Amino acid sequence: GAGVSQSPSNKVTEKGKDVELRCDPISGHTALYWYRQSLGQGLEFLIYFQGNSAPDKSGLPSDRFSAERTGGSVSTLTIQRTQQEDSAVYLCASSFGGTRRGYEQFFGPGTRLTVL
Amino acid sequence: KNEVEQSPQNLTAQEGEFITINCSYSVGISALHWLQQHPGGGIVSLFMLSSGKKKHGRLIATINIQEKHSSLHITASHPRDSAVYICAVRLPLGGSQGNLIFGKGTKLSVKP
Repeated sequence: GAGVSQSPSNKVTEKGKDVELRCDPISGHTALYWYRQSLGQGLEFLIYFQGNSAPDKSGLPSDRFSAERTGGSVSTLTIQRTQQEDSAVYLCASSFGGTRRGYEQFFGPGTRLTVL
Repeated sequence: KNEVEQSPQNLTAQEGEFITINCSYSVGISALHWLQQHPGGGIVSLFMLSSGKKKHGRLIATINIQEKHSSLHITASHPRDSAVYICAVRLPLGGSQGNLIFGKGTKLSVKP
């Protein structure tokens, strides 16, 4: 498809387990973002990848969270030793990056994570 | 105090009414986004603007950089406009270029 895709769409896990969430950005988009939306809360920035530059990890809430982007395309967000407060919808977005291109972001459908 | 404030938090309107959602921010920005999130959770980017006004169909977005304020207007509202509308600001270049700072959203419900 032409849009941003994420998998799985839903993930239920037990406290203490590790989870991996995947994002496939729009082809040609060099920028990729991860956000999360907790119940009743606004969107919260987690991490940003732009091309081959070092990622901006300033939004990651703890060292249990990490993300990588392989080959400048697919990204995986990993949460280790999940806690109940990690329950949220995790959203990925992509855009053309750089200073001369538009920054409009296109969002994926999200992964709903529930930690029991 | 949140860096991006939206008002109102909740809005109920009758079909056909003119709707205004406001966004105020306290930081310097390079651009402002309006996003729409439908009940199913999907997010769509409506506008990205750094000055002036943009129009798309029944939607109009304006921004006043000096006053650090933006408005989203919906003319001739329809029940299918029911969604959460989110304002987000992008920090200027030179800071963290990646992230958006989001408002908490305005939940709009348009009744037939």
